[in-house]
Amino acid sequence: GQNIDQPTEMTATEGAIVQINCTYQTSGFNGLFWYQQHAGEAPTFLSYNVLDGLEEKGRFSSFLSRSKGYSYLLLKELQMKDSASYLCAVKDSNYQLIWGAGTKLIIKP
Amino acid sequence: ETGVTQTPRHLVMGMTNKKSLKCEQHLGHNAMYWYKQSAKKPLELMFVYNFKEQTENNSVPSRFSPECPNSSHLFLHLHTLQPEDSALYLCASSQDASGGYNEQFFGPGTRLTVL
Repeated sequence: GQNIDQPTEMTATEGAIVQINCTYQTSGFNGLFWYQQHAGEAPTFLSYNVLDGLEEKGRFSSFLSRSKGYSYLLLKELQMKDSASYLCAVKDSNYQLIWGAGTKLIIKP
Repeated sequence: ETGVTQTPRHLVMGMTNKKSLKCEQHLGHNAMYWYKQSAKKPLELMFVYNFKEQTENNSVPSRFSPECPNSSHLFLHLHTLQPEDSALYLCASSQDASGGYNEQFFGPGTRLTVL
């Protein structure tokens, strides 16, 4: 079966750095996405990785290792507004997105 | 209006009611999706329409019936639902349903409660 694993919840301090991990087993691979979802709101796109390595976009970076079936989302200089759920999703061989259950990130002052 | 809109935002219905959810995208996309989001569970893909043709139906019960009259509008018709169908129903769109980098844009969702 297809599976995406990510931690259920993480806590971090304002101004610090946090890394959210995602491991996957899917039938085929056509890219990995990270989305942010604030409570009661729509998911919004953060990043896309299809090749191994690190993609940096401002305070957020995303890393992919296809051989290990592993990705992480790195958030730097955390702000209170970063409190949200972070969803990892992989596009499989049929171009369908397979989603993880999301990681709820709690930022403390 | 911009992006993806959904109406209603909240819906309470009894098990014998019939209701419809509406989604509209203003992005010029050709693919539209219905997802179900339950607490602490992964997003469940329900239906996919690509260029107005239904391409996916992920074993969804027949009490959910999608309709896509054109590439900008998507409906989800509901009838004789069960309490376990209570969830957030999200609509999304993308340029098309194939290819790797096809970011999906989501609407705000309809919070459905079945009594």
